[in-house]
Amino acid sequence: AQKITQTQPGMFVQEKEAVTLDCTYDTSDPSYGLFWYKQPSSGEMIFLIYQGSYDQQNATEGRYSLNFQKARKSANLVISASQLGDSAMYFCAMRKTNTGNQFYFGTGTSLTVIP
Amino acid sequence: GAGVSQSPSNKVTEKGKDVELRCDPISGHTALYWYRQSLGQGLEFLIYFQGNSAPDKSGLPSDRFSAERTGGSVSTLTIQRTQQEDSAVYLCASSTRLALQETQYFGPGTRLLVL
Repeated sequence: AQKITQTQPGMFVQEKEAVTLDCTYDTSDPSYGLFWYKQPSSGEMIFLIYQGSYDQQNATEGRYSLNFQKARKSANLVISASQLGDSAMYFCAMRKTNTGNQFYFGTGTSLTVIP
Repeated sequence: GAGVSQSPSNKVTEKGKDVELRCDPISGHTALYWYRQSLGQGLEFLIYFQGNSAPDKSGLPSDRFSAERTGGSVSTLTIQRTQQEDSAVYLCASSTRLALQETQYFGPGTRLLVL
């Protein structure tokens, strides 16, 4: 069963604009963590931001913020003031305590920033 | 400091041959993960090691796949009798501990092509 769903295979955004990348997840566990990673064309996975299921506030890291809506089971990534270097694949991932230490990844969203 | 390194960066092999992929985690990281990423897909969990505990092999797709970790550091993923469907990028990641919020740090991957 798909645990992480990213419904946007590809997205385009104008430079300096904000963009939201969607992620929904499926779990009945109360404790879990949600991660976003960036994968440039070089291939390496880069950690961007983390949100814990018990966190009261949405996570923020510089230009990245996570719009966490627990009841809807969504954890959308918002990138503000897009830059050309933001063009990459973005993956949402979930980690649950009751499955040990497996990370479940979505299929990713390809973001292209247009100058 | 040095990040996670993987070798070789690219590997082309013939169907039926065995291959070995190597991962050097970040020094001091006790947890080590292997993933497979097929073209256009997310990351598929293969196996993880934590310290001296028995590895979680639940993600290995067949008995042709095996992995070991020597001395709690370097890991080798072995694929025997390779098939064309094994062609993918194999990513290794490590982390310091197994807390829910602890991210993984990824290596650059090994691109495997089975002809």
